[in-house]
Amino acid sequence: DTGVSQNPRHKITKRGQNVTFRCDPISEHNRLYWYRQTLGQGPEFLTYFQNEAQLEKSRLLSDRFSAERPKGSFSTLEIQRTEQGDSAMYLCASSWGDTEAEAFFGQGTRLTVV
Amino acid sequence: AQTVTQSQPEMSVQEAETVTLSCTYDTSESDYYLFWYKQPPSRQMILVIRQEAYKQQNATENRFSVNFQKAAKSFSLKISDSQLGDAAMYFCAYRPLQGGSEKLVFGKGTKLTVNP
Repeated sequence: DTGVSQNPRHKITKRGQNVTFRCDPISEHNRLYWYRQTLGQGPEFLTYFQNEAQLEKSRLLSDRFSAERPKGSFSTLEIQRTEQGDSAMYLCASSWGDTEAEAFFGQGTRLTVV
Repeated sequence: AQTVTQSQPEMSVQEAETVTLSCTYDTSESDYYLFWYKQPPSRQMILVIRQEAYKQQNATENRFSVNFQKAAKSFSLKISDSQLGDAAMYFCAYRPLQGGSEKLVFGKGTKLTVNP
C-alpha cells in the first residue's frame, strides 16, 4: 500500500476557472477527509465522508466547492469559478474504523490561482 | 467552538538535546482526543502521538512524550534526544470523542529547527 495519493500535486489556474482534485485513500479505508491549509496556518476542515455518504461539511465549503466520493472509494474536490483566496494546499486524509482510528494524510495538492 | 493555540511559531534545539513544544486548547467537552502531527517539508503529515482525555497517564512514543494537564487545557510535546530528522512543522490538534463531529481542529503550528 502506497498510502493516500493525491493528484495533481500542483495546479496553477486562472481566476474564474474550475479545478478538480482527486484523492485515492488507503485501500479499504471507509473514512475520508478534506482539509485546506493556507500559508502559516494549520489545516482547516472542509468535509468528511463515511463510505460514499458526505456526513459533515464546514462553513468554509462555499457553494463553489463540491466534493464527491462515488462508490466509497476515491474522492474528488471541485472548485468552481476559482478566486485568488482559494490558493492553498488541499489535503486529503483517510482512516479505517471508528473515531479513535488514526487519520493518514496525503501529500496534498497545492493550488495557485493567478 | 473549540480552538487550539500554539504560542511558539518557531523553536530551535541542538541535536541530542530536549525541546518542549506548547499547546493549549479550549473546549467545553469532557471527552476528546489530542494529537501532535509532524509535517516535514514537502511531505505528508504524520501522527506523532495521541492522548485520550479520559486517560490520566501521559502518552509516550519512544523519544516523544506529552504533558497533558486537563484542568489547565494544556498539551505539550517533549522531544528527547533530538535528531536532524525531527526538523518539521509540528501541529497540535483536537477532536471531540462524542457529538458526531469527525473534524480535527489544528493549531497554527510550530516550526522546529534542529541544529547539528
